[in-house]
Amino acid sequence: GENVEQHPSTLSVQEGDSAVIKCTYSDSASNYFPWYKQELGKRPQLIIDIRSNVGEKKDQRIAVTLNKTAKHFSLHITETQPEDSAVYFCAARLRDTGRRALTFGSGTRLQVQP
Amino acid sequence: EAGVTQSPTHLIKTRGQQATLRCSPISGHTSVYWYQQALGLGLQFLLWYDEGEERNRGNFPPRFSGRQFPNYSSELNVNALELEDSALYLCASSGLETGGKTEAFFGQGTRLTVV
Repeated sequence: GENVEQHPSTLSVQEGDSAVIKCTYSDSASNYFPWYKQELGKRPQLIIDIRSNVGEKKDQRIAVTLNKTAKHFSLHITETQPEDSAVYFCAARLRDTGRRALTFGSGTRLQVQP
Repeated sequence: EAGVTQSPTHLIKTRGQQATLRCSPISGHTSVYWYQQALGLGLQFLLWYDEGEERNRGNFPPRFSGRQFPNYSSELNVNALELEDSALYLCASSGLETGGKTEAFFGQGTRLTVV
């Protein structure tokens, strides 16, 4: 089945710096890659996603890039703020287990130091 | 529209007992996923149900089981509880692909404590 690896597991940055989280996936037929943010004590929520026919997508301070050849995708957060502190999960959608299956990475705990 | 709801919010059990956790998906969603989140970090995939059938299973022992009912709600059962089963159990639901997307919506979780 699909395997999604996420790095790093923890990341600490100074407020205003950029943060980058990387994920790799194993199924070359995966075609949808969402990112979820889980604030302390809350449920994970979708923040941005990208499809395999697109190389980059931006939404204000966050962006996601996808390299299909290398089978990796990354989340970029610029001008980080304390409220960006959370656990971030990447995910990939498997092809061979149906259109609706999502496999998540192990998560990255981002700490933005004021 | 109601989101994904889970019950109970908290559950305390003794080692060796059984626990039953419940999840109601968003109306119209047919897929339900169960995840275990220990230590507030990783989402470990447990089970995926779609239209009443188990579609995929994570690397968990057989004492973790579940089912999905005709109304697409789901139940997770954990038998012979062990201390290391203490974790937050998250349920998520998703519906049909829309514009190439399959967004999963999470419930608030059930905090299971095994003593």
